[in-house]
Amino acid sequence: EVQLVESGGGLVQPGRSMKLSCAASGFTFSNYGMAWVRQAPTKGLEWVATISYDGSSTYYRDSVKGRFTISRDNAKSTLYLQMNSLRSEDTATYYCTRGILLNWGQGVMVTVSS
Amino acid sequence: DIQMTQSPSFLSASVGDRVTINCKASQNINRYLNWYQQKLGEAPKLLIYNANSLQTGIPSRFSGSGSGTDFTLTISSLQPEDVATYFCLQHNSWPYTFGAGTKLELK
Repeated sequence: EVQLVESGGGLVQPGRSMKLSCAASGFTFSNYGMAWVRQAPTKGLEWVATISYDGSSTYYRDSVKGRFTISRDNAKSTLYLQMNSLRSEDTATYYCTRGILLNWGQGVMVTVSS
Repeated sequence: DIQMTQSPSFLSASVGDRVTINCKASQNINRYLNWYQQKLGEAPKLLIYNANSLQTGIPSRFSGSGSGTDFTLTISSLQPEDVATYFCLQHNSWPYTFGAGTKLELK
């Protein structure tokens, strides 16, 4: 069974940094591209970033380019999202997803507020 | 960016009804469209991928159709457990974009 477990969320002040992790199991992690998707409170879904199966290619939405970095450690079956210069509009539940958003973790809440 | 216009935003239907939800893309996305179901307090769950392929484990009352710019999710006979919000996603080009969602309730 595919399992994706996010961690690392919480409350952070504007302008500070936070790193999310996603521990994957139940599939061969190194065979799949992975992505982060977020959902602001009571809002719709927003794709954030994608990384290829081997980490050689990454893609970001414009609003996070230069601030967020998606990465992976295939030896540890773990996906990461480094978020710098956080803004209030980054407040959301962040979901880790497998492939073209086939499977989703339960999500982790990130709140950016002073 | 490709805009995904989803309709209706809200839908009220009775158990056993046939329900259809639509997504219209602002440009051709071929068949690169997924449908998701999100129940209150839960993560989204994939129902349909590539416009018309049923994800493993999803009941056969769910089906998808369409290509190009116009897509439809159909629930052939609504069940109480289908109460949820439904989203479409285009993955034809970056950035991936979602429809705004359809909230489905029981009448």
